[in-house]
Amino acid sequence: KAGVTQTPRYLIKTRGQQVTLSCSPISGHRSVSWYQQTPGQGLQFLFEYFSETQRNKGNFPGRFSGRQFSNSRSEMNVSTLELGDSALYLCASTPLAGGPGTGELFFGEGSRLTVL
Amino acid sequence: QQQVKQSPQSLIVQKGGIPIINCAYENTAFDYFPWYQQFPGKGPALLIAIRPDVSEKKEGRFTISFNKSAKQFSLHIMDSQPGDSATYFCAATGGSEKLVFGKGMKLTVNP
Repeated sequence: KAGVTQTPRYLIKTRGQQVTLSCSPISGHRSVSWYQQTPGQGLQFLFEYFSETQRNKGNFPGRFSGRQFSNSRSEMNVSTLELGDSALYLCASTPLAGGPGTGELFFGEGSRLTVL
Repeated sequence: QQQVKQSPQSLIVQKGGIPIINCAYENTAFDYFPWYQQFPGKGPALLIAIRPDVSEKKEGRFTISFNKSAKQFSLHIMDSQPGDSATYFCAATGGSEKLVFGKGMKLTVNP
């Protein structure tokens, strides 16, 4: 069974640009969560989607947005990029309808974004 | 506001040592406490998890100790090996709420 797939793995953008990251969850998993990982802050929750609906949102500005498609694939978008947005963005899926709090999260390898 | 506080930030031990990672939480609604292990270039992977109805859980060389009254839990790695060198994250959540992570601890096990 294929794992969580994230694309692109690496990307470089400049300030003010926007970026879209993609996540394909494990087949059959309907809950998808996104996390931002930085050396200073660790793993910070961005948002969680289940059946195309956002169920939870972290404390990030409105420049960070996401969506989920009917096939459970998810995308996140960051507009008007800032230097501080440089991070590893991780996607995780779980098969459980209860979401991340009820069982194991399966993480992808992440998309490493560098903002110059 | 850091809902899960993790310490230390980094630790270096010799092979065979017993590193201990501590975490504390504030929200008494939390009822699921997993630990994730992350190797460089990889996403975190679930290592072991515990719920508050037990005070200790052991899986192989990894043991979680849980103190509900103190709102603290810790991970012990027995007979640590160089292959255990990784970053370890504690986390907590309650029901369908978001999973919140500690800031992580980088463990180095020297041969």
